[in-house]
Amino acid sequence: SQQGEEDPQALSIQEGENATMNCSYKTSINNLQWYRQNSGRGLVHLILIRSNEREKHSGRLRVTLDTSKKSSSLLITASRAADTASYFCGPRSEKLVFGKGTKLTVNP
Amino acid sequence: GAVVSQHPSWVICKSGTSVKIECRSLDFQATTMFWYRQFPKQSLMLMATSNEGSKATYEQGVEKDKFLINHASLTLSTLTVTSAHPEDSSFYICSASGPAYEQYFGPGTRLTVT
Repeated sequence: SQQGEEDPQALSIQEGENATMNCSYKTSINNLQWYRQNSGRGLVHLILIRSNEREKHSGRLRVTLDTSKKSSSLLITASRAADTASYFCGPRSEKLVFGKGTKLTVNP
Repeated sequence: GAVVSQHPSWVICKSGTSVKIECRSLDFQATTMFWYRQFPKQSLMLMATSNEGSKATYEQGVEKDKFLINHASLTLSTLTVTSAHPEDSSFYICSASGPAYEQYFGPGTRLTVT
């Protein structure tokens, strides 16, 4: 199994601001993915970035990957109250084990 | 993306009874499904890996006799919490894995044992 560790564990910002959260992992990967979990709900797949990519965009999401540092970042631009959720990262692998996540609170 | 459903979405049961939770992949065949448990304000904890047609693989510390997993078809896995106790109250989430290890998650089942 492979696991990502998210940082910070909690992040509180005002609506309209950008939110950045980081992910670190320990082993070599072929790709890395980010998930969002709204309170009391299942996980939603946000974006996958492959090991040969350095940056990927999807709407207001921007993901970077630095394989030399075994780290990734997720940037949410122009945040909205609806972005309030926990965010998890991890390599796509046969078995996905989650870290503690980053709990993002966007205040209106 | 693919859709995974769970049933029921919430259940309340009395201590000592058993509860079955279903996880279905609606539009794809999943040879592997996973069961997670999540306590309030905590991360998801992987409980077991369910492979179609074979016995489930449980993570360390998870009682296989208490959490019975059956993966009878490529679209259905069930988790039965036997002799439930209040400490089993939790949010149970399943996921189904596609051929490229992409995982699709169900909406979760909230179990409350009184």
